[in-house]
Amino acid sequence: AQKITQTQPGMFVQEKEAVTLDCTYDTSDPSYGLFWYKQPSSGEMIFLIYQGSYDQQNATEGRYSLNFQKARKSANLVISASQLGDSAMYFCAMRGYNYGQNFVFGPGTRLSVLP
Amino acid sequence: NAGVTQTPKFRVLKTGQSMTLLCAQDMNHEYMYWYRQDPGMGLRLIHYSVGEGTTAKGEVPDGYNVSRLKKQNFLLGLESAAPSQTSVYFCASRPPQKGLSSYNEQFFGPGTRLTVL
Repeated sequence: AQKITQTQPGMFVQEKEAVTLDCTYDTSDPSYGLFWYKQPSSGEMIFLIYQGSYDQQNATEGRYSLNFQKARKSANLVISASQLGDSAMYFCAMRGYNYGQNFVFGPGTRLSVLP
Repeated sequence: NAGVTQTPKFRVLKTGQSMTLLCAQDMNHEYMYWYRQDPGMGLRLIHYSVGEGTTAKGEVPDGYNVSRLKKQNFLLGLESAAPSQTSVYFCASRPPQKGLSSYNEQFFGPGTRLTVL
């Protein structure tokens, strides 16, 4: 079975500072992908960044980077230079490529960026 | 391209009423999903489909039925709504996986907020 854990229900960060959102996962599938989604107050789900289990380098997309530690089964999202528009719910998700083709989501972390 | 669309956006039902949520995608995706989102629980998979004419149960299928008669449409039905089905429902779609080096994120619809009184 696959499982995603996000232990931070809520986080605060000062504008222009960096913040790390934690995500740990559990799977027996040797091949999998890890995804982060942002959900602003308007409700839509926005894809942010992807990390494959075989990727040697940590993924980066603009101000987003993924701190992937495979042995520890963690895939933390790092947002640099936080902006007020980053205030949202953030979901970590994974999909196994062999045994399970479906996505599993974590409970989410609500990030609030303070001016 | 409209992407993934959901109809309706909002709905209020009384206990015992039935309704159908429609999801449509114009990206020719094989895989389609229905999720429900509840506070503190993230998104949970209700049913999914790996292609036209196929459906399968997800994590929380009880009380829901689905149909995928056409590749672009995935319908979610509530035969007898219950207050426990008050939630925000998301539809998503994605193309088939092509090798380990590629990835396919899901494309989400805007969601349907359903209240069952």
